[in-house]
Amino acid sequence: AQKITQTQPGMFVQEKEAVTLDCTYDTSDQSYGLFWYKQPSSGEMIFLIYQGSYDEQNATEGRYSLNFQKARKSANLVISASQLGDSAMYFCAMRLVFGNEKLTFGTGTRLTIIP
Amino acid sequence: ETGVTQSPTHLIKTRGQQVTLRCSSQSGHNTVSWYQQALGQGPQFIFQYYREEENGRGNFPPRFSGLQFPNYSSELNVNALELDDSALYLCASRSKGSAYNEQFFGPGTRLTVL
Repeated sequence: AQKITQTQPGMFVQEKEAVTLDCTYDTSDQSYGLFWYKQPSSGEMIFLIYQGSYDEQNATEGRYSLNFQKARKSANLVISASQLGDSAMYFCAMRLVFGNEKLTFGTGTRLTIIP
Repeated sequence: ETGVTQSPTHLIKTRGQQVTLRCSSQSGHNTVSWYQQALGQGPQFIFQYYREEENGRGNFPPRFSGLQFPNYSSELNVNALELDDSALYLCASRSKGSAYNEQFFGPGTRLTVL
């Protein structure tokens, strides 16, 4: 079984600062993918970034980067130059490559950007 | 905009009733997954459909059932509603085997059971 752990229930960050959201995972499978989603108060899950377990380089998408440390089973999200619109819930999730499309989510981190 | 729509947006039912939630996926998306998100928690996988057949199920009782149709729409049916079924229900779709790893989520249906 897969498990995602997000240990930061909430974070407050000053606008324009960088922020790191923590995520650790547990699986016995070797082939998997890690995702970060943003969920504003409207409820829709917005895909941010993906990292495959065999990818040697950390994924980056604009202001988002994923700090992937396979040996430590961690996949932290880094948001550079935070903006007020970044205030939302952030979820880390995992999916096995060989299997169905099931995403296993963590409990999320509520990020609040302070002006 | 993900191109995935859900209806209705909000729904209020009473305990014991039955409910049907609908999801319309992007054209070509042959898999659809349904998730339940209770307040303050992460989404929990209910089940997935691939080419109109159930292809995986989470830890949900049989009163949660679904259908997937050839026109890329799907339904989640919940019988004998319980108070704990109150949650945001999300559907997500993708083209299995696609090079794109992203699953596209709909905006969700917020169900309240009284």
